[in-house]
Amino acid sequence: GAGVSQTPSNKVTEKGKYVELRCDPISGHTALYWYRQSLGQGPEFLIYFQGTGAADDSGLPNDRFFAVRPEGSVSTLKIQRTERGDSAVYLCASSALAGPSYNEQFFGPGTRLTVL
Amino acid sequence: EDKVVQSPLSLVVHEGDTVTLNCSYEVTNFRSLLWYKQEKKAPTFLFMLTSSGIEKKSGRLSSILDKKELSSILNITATQTGDSAIYLCENAGGTSYGKLTFGQGTILTVHP
Repeated sequence: GAGVSQTPSNKVTEKGKYVELRCDPISGHTALYWYRQSLGQGPEFLIYFQGTGAADDSGLPNDRFFAVRPEGSVSTLKIQRTERGDSAVYLCASSALAGPSYNEQFFGPGTRLTVL
Repeated sequence: EDKVVQSPLSLVVHEGDTVTLNCSYEVTNFRSLLWYKQEKKAPTFLFMLTSSGIEKKSGRLSSILDKKELSSILNITATQTGDSAIYLCENAGGTSYGKLTFGQGTILTVHP
């Protein structure tokens, strides 16, 4: 596709349930980022992948959050035992390179997660 | 801890006004500073700044970085209602190449 896509666009779940959020980056982009954005706040860094590996996962709030990118393309953010505080828009972005040649990120439309 | 602070948090102006948005940062191993415009869900890229004192310009928008002051400004001249959005400043730095820190954003509202 032409841009970054995320599915689902909206997800409503009950407290304690497990959810998976998917991100399809721009083809060929090696770097992929996950952010969480609450209302009125800037995006908060969660994790970034360089290829298949998580190069920095220091933003994941706790061990209920996990992300994978097994083939270096599509990534899935997994949240176990969801809590109401997890409600937010989860944004995914990709860029052609990371590191010293860093350039702009392209963002997906986000997934709005609501935990009841 | 890396930190990016934007001001003002919100701004209301009328069409035709000029606005200046500020971004200050505290990061180790600074690499670049980026500005994004967020209207609905996805931020869209405006500028990337790596060198101090060199203005980047795109139409009515311009931005400049001051590494000595650890800050950047984004100027919008002759504002239009379509400029209404959240403007985000992002800093690439820190010990991890990929760790990017956003400011909390400035909400700009342009009235007709």
